[in-house]
Amino acid sequence: EVQLVESGGGLVQPGGSLRLSCAASGFTFTKSGMNWVRQAPGKGLEWLSYISTSGAINYADSVKGRFTISRDNAKNSVYLQINSLRAEDTALYFCATLYCGGGRCVPYWGQGTLVTVSS
Amino acid sequence: QSVLTQPPSVSGAPGQRVTISCTGSSSNIGANYDVFWYQQLPGTAPKLLIFANSNRPSGVPDRFSASKSGTSASLAITGLEAEDETDYYCQSYDSGLSGWVFGGGTKVTVL
Repeated sequence: EVQLVESGGGLVQPGGSLRLSCAASGFTFTKSGMNWVRQAPGKGLEWLSYISTSGAINYADSVKGRFTISRDNAKNSVYLQINSLRAEDTALYFCATLYCGGGRCVPYWGQGTLVTVSS
Repeated sequence: QSVLTQPPSVSGAPGQRVTISCTGSSSNIGANYDVFWYQQLPGTAPKLLIFANSNRPSGVPDRFSASKSGTSASLAITGLEAEDETDYYCQSYDSGLSGWVFGGGTKVTVL
């Protein structure tokens, strides 16, 4: 069973930093690209970043320069480093992957980790 | 402003059929990228309803169906039930943005 478990969220002051983690299991991690998506309170889903199996990286324009995605294949984990946190970064952060097997591709999501930016 | 456009809300009486549209462009849905549909309760992870445009994962009732044509897609809910009252999102991939794109979400209200 594919499982994604996020951690690392919490209450942070404006200007602070956080490193979110996502532990993957139930599939061959090295064969899957990984995404981070967030959802601010009462708002829609916003894609943030993607890292491929080979380490190629894409970011949404809204987070370029402040967010850094990385992965550790030995630990089956993907990370999101968030710097210079702002109030508008307050959101539930999800990791997600598009798992392809048996001729079809199905997205899987973690349960999310909550980041609250407030003084 | 979401890349994919959904109506903010739709409503219907129990037992009725409602549809939710998802309009994209030539760089996402129109470029033949798959469309996915999710149901989401507040504060929880999105639940996959439809993958690869029109396929239901096991466990999703056949009251939910979806289609795709050109630069648009749609989700239909037939036999509307009270438990269907929540938010729904469409998702695809955009070649110009090199990432996932979402609709702004549609709130379904059961009258």
